Amino acid sequence: AQSVSQHNHHVILSEAASLELGCNYSYGGTVNLFWYVQYPGQHLQLLLKYFSGDPLVKGIKGFEAEFIKSKFSFNLRKPSVQWSDTAEYFCAVQSRAGNKLTFGGGTRVLVKP
Amino acid sequence: EAQVTQNPRYLITVTGKKLTVTCSQNMNHEYMSWYRQDPGLGLRQIYYSMNVEVTDKGDVPEGYKVSRKEKRNFPLILESPSPNQTSLYFCASSFRTNLYNEQFFGPGTRLTVL
Repeated sequence: AQSVSQHNHHVILSEAASLELGCNYSYGGTVNLFWYVQYPGQHLQLLLKYFSGDPLVKGIKGFEAEFIKSKFSFNLRKPSVQWSDTAEYFCAVQSRAGNKLTFGGGTRVLVKP
Repeated sequence: EAQVTQNPRYLITVTGKKLTVTCSQNMNHEYMSWYRQDPGLGLRQIYYSMNVEVTDKGDVPEGYKVSRKEKRNFPLILESPSPNQTSLYFCASSFRTNLYNEQFFGPGTRLTVL
């Protein structure tokens, strides 16, 4: 069975600070990887995804993530956050053998103005 | 506009009163799924469907039922809701392919069971 672990439950930082959210997964086969964001009161939106190719993936709103296969990790980064990045962020893994998405527990990010 | 819709968006009910949350997608997706979101636990899959008349349990199916009579609709049924089913529910859909099956999520249904 696949599982996903997000290291931080809550992160508080100031505007212009850099953000890095950790995500590690457990699965023996080939996977697709995703980061979703949920702004307060809104539904899930896809930030970025990795299917194959370049392990450094760029998404919307200046976010990027790096897939490190040897570490089973897919960490999310943003060089300079804004107040509007306040949200909850979810890492998710999907086995190539099926459609099921397995989510991490989420990380709540609060950006102070 | 391609989308997944859910109704109702908010629901407050009492223990034991049967309810149905509807989910509909207009993207001709084969795969549909229900998740519940609880603080600190992320999203957990309740049930999924690979196609019409094909459904299967996810990780937390107890207390829920689903049906898939039409490709576009995938209702979630709580026959006898209990307070521990108070949660935020999301429906999702995607094409059923082995490689690039990005899932699209509905807006969510916030359910409170008193």
